[in-house]
Amino acid sequence: DVKVTQSSRYLVKRTGEKVFLECVQDMDHENMFWYRQDPGLGLRLIYFSYDVKMKEKGDIPEGYSVSREKKERFSLILESASTNQTSMYLCATEVGSGDYEQYFGPGTRLTVT
Amino acid sequence: GENVEQHPSTLSVQEGDSAVIKCTYSDSASNYFPWYKQELGKRPQLIIDIRSNVGEKKDQRIAVTLNKTAKHFSLHITETQPEDSAVYFCAAYAGGTSYGKLTFGQGTILTVHP
Repeated sequence: DVKVTQSSRYLVKRTGEKVFLECVQDMDHENMFWYRQDPGLGLRLIYFSYDVKMKEKGDIPEGYSVSREKKERFSLILESASTNQTSMYLCATEVGSGDYEQYFGPGTRLTVT
Repeated sequence: GENVEQHPSTLSVQEGDSAVIKCTYSDSASNYFPWYKQELGKRPQLIIDIRSNVGEKKDQRIAVTLNKTAKHFSLHITETQPEDSAVYFCAAYAGGTSYGKLTFGQGTILTVHP
């Protein structure tokens, strides 16, 4: 059974703070993704990584960065949180190599005040 | 890049009725089309998928159809039950030479009334 965990279910931060969201998977999947979910906008891809130390911009990377130092861990960083980054953040993993099913973490509800 | 449009945004049906959700995509190179179900407060989970070399796929009460020429695909749920109530997302996968990514639709909130 694939297990994808995220560091927090709920997080409240102040404008301007640096925020770290962590995602850990235990299935040796190659690819990892960060999405944000907003009502009426679906899941929008922020960044993804297909290998350790590799990262690719998704559709909405502005204001975010990522780090993948180990295969099992993919971190999303908000350098200076802003109120428009209040959202649900979902991490996902994918086996890769032609298997495109994605497995999601439970999500982090981030509120920036 | 890829653009996926999903309709309707909300769908309300009576238990036992059928439900249909439609998506269109823009990138003719997309070759994999999954559907995810997200129950309230839970994570999205894959319920069915289809690849571009297949026109239809069925799994019990759910089916997906794909029209590559028109670039649209649909989810069909028959004999709906209250536990089918959830948000449904379609997605399209466009692969590069070594990696690709999913582009999701906006989501459909399905409510099945007992």
